[in-house]
Amino acid sequence: ELKVEQNPLFLSMQEGKNYTIYCNYSTTSDRLYWYRQDPGKSLESLFVLLSNGAVKQEGRLMASLDTKARLSTLHITAAVHDLSATYFCAVPNTGNQFYFGTGTSLTVIP
Amino acid sequence: EPEVTQTPSHQVTQMGQEVILRCVPISNHLYFYWYRQILGQKVEFLVSFYNNEISEKSEIFDDQFSVERPDGSNFTLKIRSTKLEDSAMYFCASSAQTLGYTFGSGTRLTVV
Repeated sequence: ELKVEQNPLFLSMQEGKNYTIYCNYSTTSDRLYWYRQDPGKSLESLFVLLSNGAVKQEGRLMASLDTKARLSTLHITAAVHDLSATYFCAVPNTGNQFYFGTGTSLTVIP
Repeated sequence: EPEVTQTPSHQVTQMGQEVILRCVPISNHLYFYWYRQILGQKVEFLVSFYNNEISEKSEIFDDQFSVERPDGSNFTLKIRSTKLEDSAMYFCASSAQTLGYTFGSGTRLTVV
């Protein structure tokens, strides 16, 4: 079974600081997805990474994918309170079944 | 932007009762999925559905669970005899092809 691990599980950071969330997965995949979830809400698609070396940026978030290392990163630049949420990475198997990471609960404090 | 619609948003049911969770996928999508998320935990795959049959299912999706696309627009998840451990948020998703999904807003199921 494909395993997806994220770290850290919990992240408390001050506004204006930078930080990176890591997502490792256990078997070959050329696609990876990042989602955001607010408490009690659905999963909002943030990034779709479709190839090795892919880099996507949206506002203060930037995601990258290294398929050889089986690693994706989600980098937060100059965090603001609105970024507080839980972030999940997800990796599909060949049948398009998504395996989600454990999630990173981010709290941005003033 | 097209949405995946789920109803109800919250359902409370007694242990042993049957529940049906309903989903209306995006109209031109062909692949349908159910996932669940126990409170505070990660999202777990239950089942995928394509061409009117189950494509894949997880170990969680045992004989108590079934899915159906009864009328060409709705996609339902039935739990025959609910258990306390079925309490979770259930997400429906759909996709046009084998790429990313669109998730619905979820149904919170509470079994008491």
